[in-house]
Amino acid sequence: DQQVKQNSPSLSVQEGRISILNCDYTNSMFDYFLWYKKYPAEGPTFLISISSIKDKNEDGRFTVFLNKSAKHLSLHIVPSQPGDSAVYFCAASARETSGSRLTFGEGTQLTVNP
Amino acid sequence: DGGITQSPKYLFRKEGQNVTLSCEQNLNHDAMYWYRQDPGQGLRLIYYSQIVNDFQKGDIAEGYSVSREKKESFPLTVTSAQKNPTAFYLCASTLKGRAREKLFFGSGTQLSVL
Repeated sequence: DQQVKQNSPSLSVQEGRISILNCDYTNSMFDYFLWYKKYPAEGPTFLISISSIKDKNEDGRFTVFLNKSAKHLSLHIVPSQPGDSAVYFCAASARETSGSRLTFGEGTQLTVNP
Repeated sequence: DGGITQSPKYLFRKEGQNVTLSCEQNLNHDAMYWYRQDPGQGLRLIYYSQIVNDFQKGDIAEGYSVSREKKESFPLTVTSAQKNPTAFYLCASTLKGRAREKLFFGSGTQLSVL
């Protein structure tokens, strides 16, 4: 039972354009969402997060949007840079009782072409 | 610099052999986690520990064992009962193991079967 799904295994964009990575979830108990970025043979690093009380959170070139009614979130990267090429994981956590356990999506490989 | 150190980076296991993956952190974090990554799949939780001498099973604990004798260390043993051990293993930690804390990851160990 995949509770967090990233339906696009890969995405390719041109440098300077917008990258949009999507994530869907099924568990209505999820109330906090995170995006992690991962380079090959390295551990993921935290990128940006959003609480369910918000619908948007912005940090520099990265913006995360949350649509609770659709159980959908997206990560926008503007403008995209070649160094953004990596695998991006969406993750979610349920309410306080689950501690800091995260449920991850399958990941989307982003390639930004110069 | 504080961080999480995983060793070895690459590990090979023979049939019927137990192998142990090391994870050490100097972040003074209370909680530690082991995740497994398979190609095309998200990170799946194997075991986690929120305090010394205590740990809980994650979603895919069968064939694995852990110990938490020291706050800094959380080794993972892949036993011979794990029939499909080839994967990328990631260790992570959080400050208190509470909701909404960000996971900090090590650089991973790639385990392969000979």
